[in-house]
Order: sequence, then C-alpha cells, then structure tokens
Amino acid sequence: DVKVTQSSRYLVKRTGEKVFLECVQDMDHENMFWYRQDPGLGLRLIYFSYDVKMKEKGDIPEGYSVSREKKERFSLILESASTNQTSMYLCASSLTGTSTDTQYFGPGTRLTVL
Amino acid sequence: KQEVTQIPAALSVPEGENLVLNCSFTDSAIYNLQWFRQDPGKGLTSLLLIQSSQREQTSGRLNASLDKSSGRSTLYIAASQPGDSATYLCAVRPLYMGNNRLAFGKGNQVVVIP
Repeated sequence: DVKVTQSSRYLVKRTGEKVFLECVQDMDHENMFWYRQDPGLGLRLIYFSYDVKMKEKGDIPEGYSVSREKKERFSLILESASTNQTSMYLCASSLTGTSTDTQYFGPGTRLTVL
Repeated sequence: KQEVTQIPAALSVPEGENLVLNCSFTDSAIYNLQWFRQDPGKGLTSLLLIQSSQREQTSGRLNASLDKSSGRSTLYIAASQPGDSATYLCAVRPLYMGNNRLAFGKGNQVVVIP
C-alpha cells in the first residue's frame, strides 16, 4: 500500500513565524504535490515537484516556497505566516507514467495562523 | 483552462436510496477521470479511475460512467448507507498538463440519513 504521511495533523502558529510542513511518501514516486483546501474554493495547487530539486509553481504559489532534497520528501515553507494562510494543507504523490496512475493523498495538516 | 463542475454542492438522501452524483468538465482532451472520497478532516482516497477510452468502471456498489464527448461523468452508489456520508470529488487529468496534474471539482457533500 502506498503511504503518504504528513508531519502534523494540527498546527497553530503566530503571524510572521516561519512554518515548515513536511510530507513523506514511501513508493518512489516522481511527482509530489502540495494543495490547500478551503470551504467554497475547493482544492488549489500551490506547488508541485517532478524530481529531486525540481519544482514548478501551481495556481497559488504566492507566500509559499518548497524544497525537495530527497525523492521521498517534499516540504512546504511559509516564510512569514499570515492569517489568510489558515487552511487545510494536503500533500499527494504519484507516478507520471500511464493513464491509470492516480494521486495518493496524505491525511492533511490543519494549520491555524493567529 | 479545464473547468470541473459538481452540482449540487451538498445533498442528503435517506438510507437505502441510490445516490447519483454528476460531474461536468469543459475540455474533452483528457487522459482519465477519477472520483475521490474525502471524509471530514481527512485526505482524499481514490474510488474509481476511468481512462479516456473507457465508458465506465465498477467497484462493488459504485459505478462511474464517462461520456467524454459531452464532458460528463456520473458516480452511482447503489443502496446508500450512512457510511457513504462524505464529500465526493471529481478530477480530470488534462492532456495539456504533464506530471499527472489533476483539475478538481469542488465536490458533492453527501449525507445519508439513517
């Protein structure tokens, strides 16, 4: 079974703090993704990575950065957290290859910025 | 840009009734269409994946159909149970997006009333 784990289920931070969200997958997937999910707005892609040290912006990258130093680990960084970054953050991973490859999701991190 | 729409946003059905969820998408150039389930506060789990050359997929009480030319998919859940209460998300993998990126709908929040 594919397993995607996220470092925290719940996180509370203060405005201006630097925040790290970690994601690890155990299936040697090339692609990893960070989404945020908000009521009424659905899932929105922040960043994705298709290989070690390779990344591309998604639909809403402003205020975020990412790091992928090892294939199994993809980190989302909030350089200076703001209250409008309070959200549910979901990580996912996938293979690239065929039309039957799906994305596998982690359990999510509920981040609150005060 | 691919747009994925799921209407209504929320619905309730009595236990035992068949559930029908609809998804529409604007661009028929896709690799596949997937249905995911999300329980409150959790990540997404893939239910069914239909490749672009297929018309439907079945798994137990679940059946999903795809009409690519009209940009529609239907998820059918037979004899609904309270445990089917969740949010169901439709996602397409557009041909113009690489790396297994997906375009998601906002979901149908389903409550099955005992």
